[in-house]
Amino acid sequence: AQSVTQLDSHVSVSEGTPVLLRCNYSSSYSPSLFWYVQHPNKGLQLLLKYTSAATLVKGINGFEAEFKKSETSFHLTKPSAHMSDAAEYFCVVSDWTGANNLFFGTGTRLTVIP
Amino acid sequence: DGGITQSPKYLFRKEGQNVTLSCEQNLNHDAMYWYRQDPGQGLRLIYYSQIVNDFQKGDIAEGYSVSREKKESFPLTVTSAQKNPTAFYLCASERVPSGRASSYNEQFFGPGTRLTVL
Repeated sequence: AQSVTQLDSHVSVSEGTPVLLRCNYSSSYSPSLFWYVQHPNKGLQLLLKYTSAATLVKGINGFEAEFKKSETSFHLTKPSAHMSDAAEYFCVVSDWTGANNLFFGTGTRLTVIP
Repeated sequence: DGGITQSPKYLFRKEGQNVTLSCEQNLNHDAMYWYRQDPGQGLRLIYYSQIVNDFQKGDIAEGYSVSREKKESFPLTVTSAQKNPTAFYLCASERVPSGRASSYNEQFFGPGTRLTVL
């Protein structure tokens, strides 16, 4: 069975400092992994995805994530936080059972302090 | 502009009433999905459809119904049988290249409808 654990429900960083949002996954086979961002009362936007190619994945807005199979992790990072990065971030694993069913983590709310 | 639209943005319903949430996409995507989001939680799958006139139950389908009469439309009805309908509802669509769905595909999300039952 597939599942995702986001280790922090809330992360606060100062503007200009690095961002680290942690995600661990469980999957019975080689997974596809995604990070989505959600701004208040809005839909979700894809930041990046891992689909068994390069383990270091670069996404939009300067975000990147590294797939580490030995640690079953897919942490999201950014070198320097911007005020516009404040949002909810979801780590997602795909369950391929004949349809592309997504399993979502509970989310990490990122606050950026000026 | 291509995209997914959901209407209305905010919806209020009296207890015991059915209500239908609209989801339309002009991306020519084959697959469409409905998710429910509750505060402090991730999204949970209600129903999905991979092709016109066919749909499947997700993890929390009880109290909901859908139809897929057209490729671009996937309306969700929240019935009076749904015990806790107040939530944020998100619709998504997915391109299925060459008719082959895949876990590699990205899902595109609409802006959501916030349903409140009074």
